[in-house]
Amino acid sequence: EAQVTQNPRYLITVTGKKLTVTCSQNMNHEYMSWYRQDPGLGLRQIYYSMNVEVTDKGDVPEGYKVSRKEKRNFPLILESPSPNQTSLYFCASSPWFVAGELFFGEGSRLTVL
Amino acid sequence: GEDVEQSLFLSVREGDSSVINCTYTDSSSTYLYWYKQEPGAGLQLLTYIFSNMDMKQDQRLTVLLNKKDKHLSLRIADTQTGDSAIYFCAESSNSGYALNFGKGTSLLVTP
Repeated sequence: EAQVTQNPRYLITVTGKKLTVTCSQNMNHEYMSWYRQDPGLGLRQIYYSMNVEVTDKGDVPEGYKVSRKEKRNFPLILESPSPNQTSLYFCASSPWFVAGELFFGEGSRLTVL
Repeated sequence: GEDVEQSLFLSVREGDSSVINCTYTDSSSTYLYWYKQEPGAGLQLLTYIFSNMDMKQDQRLTVLLNKKDKHLSLRIADTQTGDSAIYFCAESSNSGYALNFGKGTSLLVTP
């Protein structure tokens, strides 16, 4: 089954404790991206990747890192999480080289205390 | 950045048609999209329309595009309770490497 898989789906952590949210897609897509969804603010792009080893910042990259060492994986790293990073995070991939027909994961709900 | 505007809430009776409206700002957007988000799930692409089209129909879904007014609408015919969800309008960003989403319209279908 074609899918984008995120882990963990739910996480409660404390300020400053490094964490990684993994994202993996099995559709051989070139393009991958991370969004966060917040009430009243909608979806905002954090980072995207057009290809292996090629990443760039979205609208809200502060406090986040990403890497794209393999085509299928695009982890989101929070080196020192803060409460304002409490959010619902979505990973997405696209068969196009740009954003377009996005396939979304089911989301990772992160709470930073 | 660009703003995509949608009304936040719509309630319809089962069997009626639903019309969700959206206005966008970037006249250079090549494609415009409608996504659906069910509770506890990620967004799912419903349909998209190329900017040189006025209308696209796909089973119960009809998308209308008015480029002059930068207005996009999604009509769902014979709305069912299973259509209850949040619907997002989206346009391509200037770079093409992101989609700019509206804040979503929450559709409630009552029996």
